[in-house]
Amino acid sequence: DARVTQTPRHKVTEMGQEVTMRCQPILGHNTVFWYRQTMMQGLELLAYFRNRAPLDDSGMPKDRFSAEMPDATLATLKIQPSEPRDSAVYFCASAFPGQGYTEAFFGQGTRLTVV
Amino acid sequence: GQQVMQIPQYQHVQEGEDFTTYCNSSTTLSNIQWYKQRPGGHPVFLIQLVKSGEVKKQKRLTFQFGEAKKNSSLHITATQTTDVGTYFCAGPNSGYSTLTFGKGTMLLVSP
Repeated sequence: DARVTQTPRHKVTEMGQEVTMRCQPILGHNTVFWYRQTMMQGLELLAYFRNRAPLDDSGMPKDRFSAEMPDATLATLKIQPSEPRDSAVYFCASAFPGQGYTEAFFGQGTRLTVV
Repeated sequence: GQQVMQIPQYQHVQEGEDFTTYCNSSTTLSNIQWYKQRPGGHPVFLIQLVKSGEVKKQKRLTFQFGEAKKNSSLHITATQTTDVGTYFCAGPNSGYSTLTFGKGTMLLVSP
């Protein structure tokens, strides 16, 4: 049963601390997205990768957020330093765009609370 | 940039009533996708529409893609409590490089 795996599922941290979220995309998928979900903003695209290369990270606050894909089985999203306004659910999704776009498979998300 | 708008933001119906959510894009879409997110869950793909004017059905759910490929709708007939959740539409950008999601319509169904 192929699925996108995210860790941790929940994270509570103090303001100023570093937070690292991890994602294992579905094997064979070459596109990975990071989305942030809040009640106010809905699903916001933070960054995405194609074949491990970052294509667009314009949705991320550059001064504190960074996204990497060190290998095809791991994508990371890091916040340093974290702030209370970063509290949200962070979703990773993977896809394999073919002719036309195929579905995105979402992980279960990391619920981040910054106090 | 591309914008995808959904209305209504929220709807509360009695079980058995019908429900419709509408999606509009600022640009012509090559295709449109619909996702459902249950409370506390993650978005799950429902369907993709590709052709102008296309209509697809999944049991009580009917999906439609507009003739101009800039709008879409999801209609649920005779809602059930299991339909509770947020329904999102999403469209790829022109380079098929990313998906832009609408803000979703939250559906609450009372028994």
